[in-house]
Amino acid sequence: EIVLTQSPGTLSLSPGERATLSCRASQSVSTNYLAWYQQKPGQAPRLLIYGASNRATGIPDRFSGSGSGTDFTLTISRLEPEDFAVYYCQQYGSSPITFGQGTRLEIK
Amino acid sequence: EVQLVQSGAEVKKPGESLKISCKGSGYDFTTYWIGWVRQMSGKGLELMGIIYPRDSDTRYSPSFQGQVTISVDKSIRTAYLQWSSLKASDTAMYFCVRHNSGYINNWYPYWGQGTLVTVSS
Repeated sequence: EIVLTQSPGTLSLSPGERATLSCRASQSVSTNYLAWYQQKPGQAPRLLIYGASNRATGIPDRFSGSGSGTDFTLTISRLEPEDFAVYYCQQYGSSPITFGQGTRLEIK
Repeated sequence: EVQLVQSGAEVKKPGESLKISCKGSGYDFTTYWIGWVRQMSGKGLELMGIIYPRDSDTRYSPSFQGQVTISVDKSIRTAYLQWSSLKASDTAMYFCVRHNSGYINNWYPYWGQGTLVTVSS
């Protein structure tokens, strides 16, 4: 089973700043099958990125994904108030599909 | 429009059985894998298992094998997650998800609204 470790656990930033979230895999993620999700309180997660770097439908271009192998990054170029939430990475290249433990992005 | 609509919140006692549902609409129900994801209070996401409605091929994540049963009734476009004997540790929010395509290794663009299950004596 691939273990995904996200860092930092909590990130405190202000609107307008740049956010960089990390996801590290315990072994190489096949074909960069890595997705990112955003979850706000009381809501289901929302898909942001798939295939490590492809934005999902309707996702603003301030969200970008990068990385390969075992190291992946989600970048939010300029934080908007609605971006403060919990973010999860997911690998779907190997069974069982696994998620990271999440990074909480909070307003500083 | 693709929609996954889950059954409502449940409050049960330890040892009771439970079956929750997820009804899909707006797409060919039989050709996309559907999964169940657990989220315990304040915790992360865990994939429990997936099912392919066309032939009911079911795969469980190791931690959930033998603990739950995933099934489907394609005639009414509904997937199910079932427990035969609930424990307090089953208290969580449960989401159903639909794969982006018919491939087994896939991401989840579609999520149900979640079903909160509370198990307490």
